[in-house]
Amino acid sequence: DGGITQSPKYLFRKEGQNVTLSCEQNLNHDAMYWYRQDPGQGLRLIYYSQIVNDFQKGDIAEGYSVSREKKESFPLTVTSAQKNPTAFYLCASSILTTGSGNTIYFGEGSWLTVV
Amino acid sequence: SQQGEEDPQALSIQEGENATMNCSYKTSINNLQWYRQNSGRGLVHLILIRSNEREKHSGRLRVTLDTSKKSSSLLITASRAADTASYFCATDEVTTDSWGKLQFGAGTQVVVTP
Repeated sequence: DGGITQSPKYLFRKEGQNVTLSCEQNLNHDAMYWYRQDPGQGLRLIYYSQIVNDFQKGDIAEGYSVSREKKESFPLTVTSAQKNPTAFYLCASSILTTGSGNTIYFGEGSWLTVV
Repeated sequence: SQQGEEDPQALSIQEGENATMNCSYKTSINNLQWYRQNSGRGLVHLILIRSNEREKHSGRLRVTLDTSKKSSSLLITASRAADTASYFCATDEVTTDSWGKLQFGAGTQVVVTP
């Protein structure tokens, strides 16, 4: 089945540790995104990538890093510099179109908790 | 920064009733989309309305867009318990590098009781 796979679903991080969330898509989409969602709130864009080996900061990139070495993969690392990382993280992808409307497809999300 | 703001924040209705939620935004847009999120899950696309459209239907969903007021509404008719979810509007802003990067609102939480 085509779609976006995020892993792990639940992750616990100790203070001072870096953790990496995996995101893989088999939709052949050019663009990939990482969003953060806090309880009862909307989505905030962390990073996005339009093409392999290129990515841009979103609205809340501090304390996060990404890579885009393959079209289908866009892992997110939550570094120790991120002071409040406990949240629900959503990976997404879309076809790149200009102005005519992108539909974004989401993975099932990963819960990250600092212990 | 979040572009869209949904109203109300929460809505509780009974099965068979209609549910209406609104979205207001601040800047010019190419299009506006509505997404649905079941608790603890990813978002699912519902419907897209372009800036030159005023109304769109999809099954039990009706979306309106008023660009002069910078607002949109989502109507779910004859609601079912399975419609219980959070609903988000997302705007595709007109920018110099516009390619569909969406800004999401905080969502409306809808509870439909049998």
